[in-house]
Amino acid sequence: KAGVTQTPRYLIKTRGQQVTLSCSPISGHRSVSWYQQTPGQGLQFLFEYFSETQRNKGNFPGRFSGRQFSNSRSEMNVSTLELGDSALYLCASSSAEKGSYEQYFGPGTRLTVT
Amino acid sequence: GQSLEQPSEVTAVEGAIVQINCTYQTSGFYGLSWYQQHDGGAPTFLSYNALDGLEETGRFSSFLSRSDSYGYLLLQELQMKDSASYFCAVRDNDYKLSFGAGTTVTVRA
Repeated sequence: KAGVTQTPRYLIKTRGQQVTLSCSPISGHRSVSWYQQTPGQGLQFLFEYFSETQRNKGNFPGRFSGRQFSNSRSEMNVSTLELGDSALYLCASSSAEKGSYEQYFGPGTRLTVT
Repeated sequence: GQSLEQPSEVTAVEGAIVQINCTYQTSGFYGLSWYQQHDGGAPTFLSYNALDGLEETGRFSSFLSRSDSYGYLLLQELQMKDSASYFCAVRDNDYKLSFGAGTTVTVRA
């Protein structure tokens, strides 16, 4: 079974631009969660999608948004990029309908904002 | 909100035993998980405790005491490949995972 894939793996953007990151979950997994990882803040939960609906949302500004498609693939978008948005963005998928303690992470997208 | 505390760093020699403690404060509790992340890699699931007690998986064991809001991950017979960051994570009432800041384990020869 193929693992979670994320594209692109690396991205460099300028302040004020927007960016879209993509995540393809493990086949059959309907839950996709997104996390931001930085050295200072660790793994911060962004949001979770299940069956195309946002089920949970973390404490991030509205510039961070996401969506999930009918094939469970998910995208997250960050608008009006700030220097502080530089981070590793991880997505994780799970199979459980009610959220899962066991999540499978993708390799992440390393975003650098200059 | 959620609050998880774990030590920032632990160093030990090959063959030793390391215990990583995790204390938590959450709005609702549905279990404690542990994840391992090697430098430059993605977090991978290690273990999960929903009930009090010890769960053993090979060289790694995880313990939970719900009354104390406390758990730990025990790494035995340490190997160089165990050098990584280890995160505890708690499922809350909304079923989302909140992660601790991570413990960097360094194994020395």
